[in-house]
Amino acid sequence: EAQVTQNPRYLITVTGKKLTVTCSQNMNHEYMSWYRQDPGLGLRQIYYSMNVEVTDKGDVPEGYKVSRKEKRNFPLILESPSPNQTSLYFCASRKQGMGPNTEAFFGQGTRLTVV
Amino acid sequence: RKEVEQDPGPFNVPEGATVAFNCTYSNSASQSFFWYRQDCRKEPKLLMSVYSSGNEDGRFTAQLNRASQYISLLIRDSKLSDSATYLCVVGPILTGGGNKLTFGTGTQLKVEL
Repeated sequence: EAQVTQNPRYLITVTGKKLTVTCSQNMNHEYMSWYRQDPGLGLRQIYYSMNVEVTDKGDVPEGYKVSRKEKRNFPLILESPSPNQTSLYFCASRKQGMGPNTEAFFGQGTRLTVV
Repeated sequence: RKEVEQDPGPFNVPEGATVAFNCTYSNSASQSFFWYRQDCRKEPKLLMSVYSSGNEDGRFTAQLNRASQYISLLIRDSKLSDSATYLCVVGPILTGGGNKLTFGTGTQLKVEL
């Protein structure tokens, strides 16, 4: 089954304690990205990757890091989480390029609370 | 101006009603258009792609108007199970943001008995 898997689904942590949210896809997609979703603001892109070892900042990258060592995995790292990073996070993957077959597939989401 | 704009709603409609959502986008160079559905606190899922000639999938019809830069979604004979948030998605935006998709903030639909 084609899917994007992210873990954990729920996480409560304390300010400053480094954490990693994992994301893995089995569709051999080149493009992967991380979003955060906050009430009234919609989905905002944090980082994206167009292929292995190619990553770049999205619209709200401050406080986050990513890596893309393998095509299937795209972890999101919060080196020193702060309460303003409390949010619902989604990983997504899609084919590179344009057109109607380039829709994004999303993981189930990670609800992060930083206290 | 936002890159993708939608009326946030909520749209409260009775079961069986026809409801239409519109979405406008700012970048005329956009190449791909989609409608996603998102249930509360769950991941967005593709509802349908939007083709230039318009397309239909059962009770759902999507239209694209490139000249006016808007996309529409029509839901006929709405069901209680259609209650969700509908996201308008446009992309790729071929600028410094790479090949990204841009999401509207969504329109909330509530179908009532």
